[in-house]
Amino acid sequence: KAGVTQTPRYLIKTRGQQVTLSCSPISGHRSVSWYQQTPGQGLQFLFEYFSETQRNKGNFPGRFSGRQFSNSRSEMNVSTLELGDSALYLCASSLELPGLANTEAFFGQGTRLTVV
Amino acid sequence: GENVEQHPSTLSVQEGDSAVIKCTYSDSASNYFPWYKQELGKGPQLIIDIRSNVGEKKDQRIAVTLNKTAKHFSLHITETQPEDSAVYFCAAPSSKLTFGTGTRLQVTL
Repeated sequence: KAGVTQTPRYLIKTRGQQVTLSCSPISGHRSVSWYQQTPGQGLQFLFEYFSETQRNKGNFPGRFSGRQFSNSRSEMNVSTLELGDSALYLCASSLELPGLANTEAFFGQGTRLTVV
Repeated sequence: GENVEQHPSTLSVQEGDSAVIKCTYSDSASNYFPWYKQELGKGPQLIIDIRSNVGEKKDQRIAVTLNKTAKHFSLHITETQPEDSAVYFCAAPSSKLTFGTGTRLQVTL
């Protein structure tokens, strides 16, 4: 079956702009989590959605937001981009909430965002 | 919240040697411990996981051990090969899936 699909794969944006990233989970998966990965910082948790509801949120400013649609696809938005937002943004899909149900989480290839 | 510590941050071994990566976690309610491998330019890929009802799990050259009392778990890779070179992450769930800081494994010829 198809894996987790993230689009676009690469993005270059200018400071102050906004960006929307998309994640299509594995068919049947209802949970989508988002992570920011920067060199030396590991995987920083952004937020987690299940059945169109945000169930958990990491320590990121309000410029970072997300949503999940009825078909489980998810988008994340970053407004007023800063240079420090340059990172690889990863989404992971799972059948249930991975933190609560101990289910496997599968990652997409990520979207590499560069802010100039 | 959950805190996951991972060591070492970098590890260099010769081909054929073994590699061990260790993680400790803080939430005693955690009972599922996956390990991910991330190759350059790719997203992390689940390579093995263990649940708290067992102390060890093996899959060919990789194995994971779990000590719930001490709250630590380890990844063991035997007979390392160049294609094992990657960044490895451990994770432990609490309210969310929390990852360790990663270990960059370099297998040299």
